[in-house]
Amino acid sequence: DTEVTQTPKHLVMGMTNKKSLKCEQHMGHRAMYWYKQKAKKPPELMFVYSYEKLSINESVPSRFSPECPNSSLLNLHLHALQPEDSALYLCASRSENQPQHFGDGTRLSIL
Amino acid sequence: GEDVEQSLFLSVREGDSSVINCTYTDSSSTYLYWYKQEPGAGLQLLTYIFSNMDMKQDQRLTVLLNKKDKHLSLRIADTQTGDSAIYFCSDFSSNTGKLIFGQGTTLQVKP
Repeated sequence: DTEVTQTPKHLVMGMTNKKSLKCEQHMGHRAMYWYKQKAKKPPELMFVYSYEKLSINESVPSRFSPECPNSSLLNLHLHALQPEDSALYLCASRSENQPQHFGDGTRLSIL
Repeated sequence: GEDVEQSLFLSVREGDSSVINCTYTDSSSTYLYWYKQEPGAGLQLLTYIFSNMDMKQDQRLTVLLNKKDKHLSLRIADTQTGDSAIYFCSDFSSNTGKLIFGQGTTLQVKP
């Protein structure tokens, strides 16, 4: 069964807060991804981890800090975000030569 | 650079067939995917096709690939109101290791 679990589903935070988004998969996938998606637009790639090492950073501002503590878990630490950072944040994972599977996302609102 | 294009909107009547079209530019494509996104949800992998295939059928879904013209289509037979969603065509680029998304086609199904 393919499942990527993201928590929390919704998050509201002020611009001075620090929070974290969590993503978990137990499918043995060795590549994990963070995307940002604005309403009615395609997802935009932020980070890629391959075998627990950061392999792609799409010039994301440092107020977003990814972390991959183990092969099943991916975090996105948030600090001093701006209102324009309000979006749906999607996590995905894949194994070699297979499709990416997405979680349901965390809807983030910055006050 | 690599690009994926698709029309933005399609409206059909319940019971009719829907055809969503997509074109891509990447000559190194290995897999091409169709994702479905319902309001407030993440991306659901609908189906995918390997670049050396011409057609793939999966229940009500038929994917056609014209590799010469770099044209991909998704046909949904007997379209239901539950098929109303945004459909993203995407191409996995083996050059960059990234998934390239089209802008998404909003499918509206009228009863």
